[in-house]
Amino acid sequence: KAGVTQTPRYLIKTRGQQVTLSCSPISGHRSVSWYQQTPGQGLQFLFEYFSETQRNKGNFPGRFSGRQFSNSRSEMNVSTLELGDSALYLCASSQGWDSSYNEQFFGPGTRLTVL
Amino acid sequence: AQTVTQSQPEMSVQEAETVTLSCTYDTSESDYYLFWYKQPPSRQMILVIRQEAYKQQNATENRFSVNFQKAAKSFSLKISDSQLGDAAMYFCAYRVNNAGNMLTFGGGTRLMVKP
Repeated sequence: KAGVTQTPRYLIKTRGQQVTLSCSPISGHRSVSWYQQTPGQGLQFLFEYFSETQRNKGNFPGRFSGRQFSNSRSEMNVSTLELGDSALYLCASSQGWDSSYNEQFFGPGTRLTVL
Repeated sequence: AQTVTQSQPEMSVQEAETVTLSCTYDTSESDYYLFWYKQPPSRQMILVIRQEAYKQQNATENRFSVNFQKAAKSFSLKISDSQLGDAAMYFCAYRVNNAGNMLTFGGGTRLMVKP
């Protein structure tokens, strides 16, 4: 079974631009979560989608948004990029949302650099 | 709000020796999971071991075991017979049960393995 895939793997943008990152979960997985990893703030939860609905949201400004499609693929968008948005963005997928345990499988991440 | 703290930014161990990584957490929930994730230089997050809070028995996975002290809110990871491939960042993480898959991560511990 193919793992979680994220595209692109690397991205360079300039301040003020917007960016869209994509995540394809493992086949059959319906939950997709996004995390931001930076040296200063560590790993922080952005949001989680399940069955095309946002179920959880972290403490990030409205410039960060996401969506999930009917095939469970998810995209996250960051508008009006700031230097501090430079980070590794990790996506994780799992089968369910409301059962007691769902193992999360992480993708390789998208490295975003904002100049 | 839940917090996870890893007090050791860096640890080193001699190959074949044993090392223990520390983690403490703060929560008012009674039903939750705790995890240790490994992030090698490739950046791919890999689940090492998990512990259900309601289980008193400490989890074990081959050379990896945990010491879960619920009252003290402590969750340490012991790696026995350390191998060069164990060198990585290790993250302790917490998740409330039946409320989605959102993980709260600690700041991480960089483990170096000396040959």
